[in-house]
Amino acid sequence: KAGVTQTPRYLIKTRGQQVTLSCSPISGHRSVSWYQQTPGQGLQFLFEYFSETQRNKGNFPGRFSGRQFSNSRSEMNVSTLELGDSALYLCASSLARGQGFTSSGANVLTFGAGSRLTVL
Amino acid sequence: AQKVTQAQTEISVVEKEDVTLDCVYETRDTTYYLFWYKQPPSGELVFLIRRNSFDEQNEISGRYSWNFQKSTSSFNFTITASQVVDSAVYFCALSSNAGNNRKLIWGLGTSLAVNP
Repeated sequence: KAGVTQTPRYLIKTRGQQVTLSCSPISGHRSVSWYQQTPGQGLQFLFEYFSETQRNKGNFPGRFSGRQFSNSRSEMNVSTLELGDSALYLCASSLARGQGFTSSGANVLTFGAGSRLTVL
Repeated sequence: AQKVTQAQTEISVVEKEDVTLDCVYETRDTTYYLFWYKQPPSGELVFLIRRNSFDEQNEISGRYSWNFQKSTSSFNFTITASQVVDSAVYFCALSSNAGNNRKLIWGLGTSLAVNP
C-alpha cells in the first residue's frame, strides 16, 4: 500500500512569506503528527491531529498552524517565515493516536520523506 | 521530567565491525514504551523496534539486537557485522502518558557512518 506522501519535497521561500505543506497519510490511518527537524534541535513535535481535531501541540509560536480534513489528509501552514524556520518538516501517520499510548499499546509512526523548506 | 539522551552524536566504523548505539531515558512513569527509528539519507524515519516497560527481554532481529535494562534506564541498540547500508541517523524515543499529557520524546539521534 502507498506510504505517507508529503508535498512539496523541496521549496524555497523568502522571509515574511507563508508556506503550506501537505501530508497524505497511509489509507486508514487517522492520526497525523508533524515534526520540525533541524541539525541543532533534532526532532521537534509541532502538533498531532486525529479525526480532524488537534489533539496535542508542541511549543511553537502561533505562526505554525495545521488542519486535518475528513479524509485524514493534513496540511500545516507557517506564516511570516523567518530564517530559523528553515528545516525538514516531517509528517507521520498512525492508526490511532501517535503521541503517547493507549491500553492497546503505543502506535508505530510511519513517516513521509519530508518537505525541505529553505527560507532566504 | 522525561528525557531521552543519545550521548553519541556521530559514530564512524569500518564495514563488518560491531557497533552499539546508546540510549538512556528518564521517566517517573511505571508504564512507558521505547522505540528505535532509522533515518537513512532519503529522509523518512523507519520504525525498527518497540518495547514496553514490562518487557525486559532482549531482542534479536538478524544483525540487529536490543538490550533493555530498566535498572540503568537504557535501551541500547547493537548492529553486528555492520554494512554500508546501515549508514543512517538512528533515533531512540520514549512514549509517555504522564499526567494525561501524551508525548513521544525523541533523542537527538546518533549519526552512524559505515565505511567500506
